[in-house]
Amino acid sequence: DTEVTQTPKHLVMGMTNKKSLKCEQHMGHRAMYWYKQKAKKPPELMFVYSYEKLSINESVPSRFSPECPNSSLLNLHLHALQPEDSALYLCASSQGQGPYNEQFFGPGTRLTVL
Amino acid sequence: KQEVTQIPAALSVPEGENLVLNCSFTDSAIYNLQWFRQDPGKGLTSLLLIQSSQREQTSGRLNASLDKSSGRSTLYIAASQPGDSATYLCAVRPSNTGGFKTIFGAGTRLFVKA
Repeated sequence: DTEVTQTPKHLVMGMTNKKSLKCEQHMGHRAMYWYKQKAKKPPELMFVYSYEKLSINESVPSRFSPECPNSSLLNLHLHALQPEDSALYLCASSQGQGPYNEQFFGPGTRLTVL
Repeated sequence: KQEVTQIPAALSVPEGENLVLNCSFTDSAIYNLQWFRQDPGKGLTSLLLIQSSQREQTSGRLNASLDKSSGRSTLYIAASQPGDSATYLCAVRPSNTGGFKTIFGAGTRLFVKA
């Protein structure tokens, strides 16, 4: 099973809402990633978790809060977002870091902030 | 700072044609290079992963080559089909940033005409 799943597929939220994006993989991967992708642009790395610990935070605003409850799950908690945060949010996983680690991506959550 | 460039930005070819997509990167200190396919509004599908010590990888009608010293990779698609229409992204994993970061090119949008 080389699948990464993400829920929900689509999310519309107001600027005062609190919502969460969820990501799950059952490949035994120990690294999980959140990316943000705007239209016609490449994905931009937001966070990396390795062995359930936050390894990389690419200076993401605090209105985005990641959480890794266990090795299979990755959440992204959203609060007080801005309309410019509307984008496709992609989750990915890999076995680890470094040379032999192919990244597998989920289908993404299309987020619209009103 | 690693930069990844993909040329051309867009390509339209008739069905059955063989084609080459190009990817160049500025720093040869990489662990690997990965080619992805992305359909509109969807996640990324991994096509091929080439380790820095490898010269090429093949999967079906796809062949990817890597010349690390010159900072170039090509993705060769044989006998193109309308179903190959998508955006193709290349991504490098730098070996001097801890092994988690991935730098993406902006992609080549491919349209195969029936």
